Amino acid sequence: GQSLEQPSEVTAVEGAIVQINCTYQTSGFYGLSWYQQHDGGAPTFLSYNALDGLEETGRFSSFLSRSDSYGYLLLQELQMKDSASYFCAVPNQAGTALIFGKGTTLSVSS
Amino acid sequence: GAGVSQTPSNKVTEKGKYVELRCDPISGHTALYWYRQSLGQGPEFLIYFQGTGAADDSGLPNDRFFAVRPEGSVSTLKIQRTERGDSAVYLCASSLAGGEGGYTFGSGTRLTVV
Repeated sequence: GQSLEQPSEVTAVEGAIVQINCTYQTSGFYGLSWYQQHDGGAPTFLSYNALDGLEETGRFSSFLSRSDSYGYLLLQELQMKDSASYFCAVPNQAGTALIFGKGTTLSVSS
Repeated sequence: GAGVSQTPSNKVTEKGKYVELRCDPISGHTALYWYRQSLGQGPEFLIYFQGTGAADDSGLPNDRFFAVRPEGSVSTLKIQRTERGDSAVYLCASSLAGGEGGYTFGSGTRLTVV
């Protein structure tokens, strides 16, 4: 089956750079996704990596290494509003829906 | 609509009662997903619809849970004989077929069974 591991908490200060790692086990691989969720809010899509390498979208970048079953989300120039939970996700075995990790809570302080 | 709409936003029900949770997806999104999320956990997959049919219901925890999408747009998640352990936020998401462009989630229904 599928499983994902990510740190439960990360803290950082405004303006810093933080990396949230995700390792996964899956029987078939279709890509690694990242979602952000603020307290009480809906998860929102951040990025999707199907191939190895770095994808950059503004202050956020996502990296994938399929050979290592590993990816990370890189957040630069942190702002207070980046305080949220971040989830990595991979498709389930049938490829029909995403399976989410338990999430990493990022706390950004001034 | 502009986003995924879920109603009600909050629902408190007594143990043993029946509840229905509604999801109105983004117009044109053929794929619809139900998840539930407990505090401090990631969303847990329940069921996936492609059009009107339930293409994958492997995440439904037991036969008290059922979902329909009769016209390929609005979906209803139905829970019979609710138990306190059913208390969670129930999230609905929709996407274009394939989902690689990401899911759009609604704000969820917070279900509390007392």
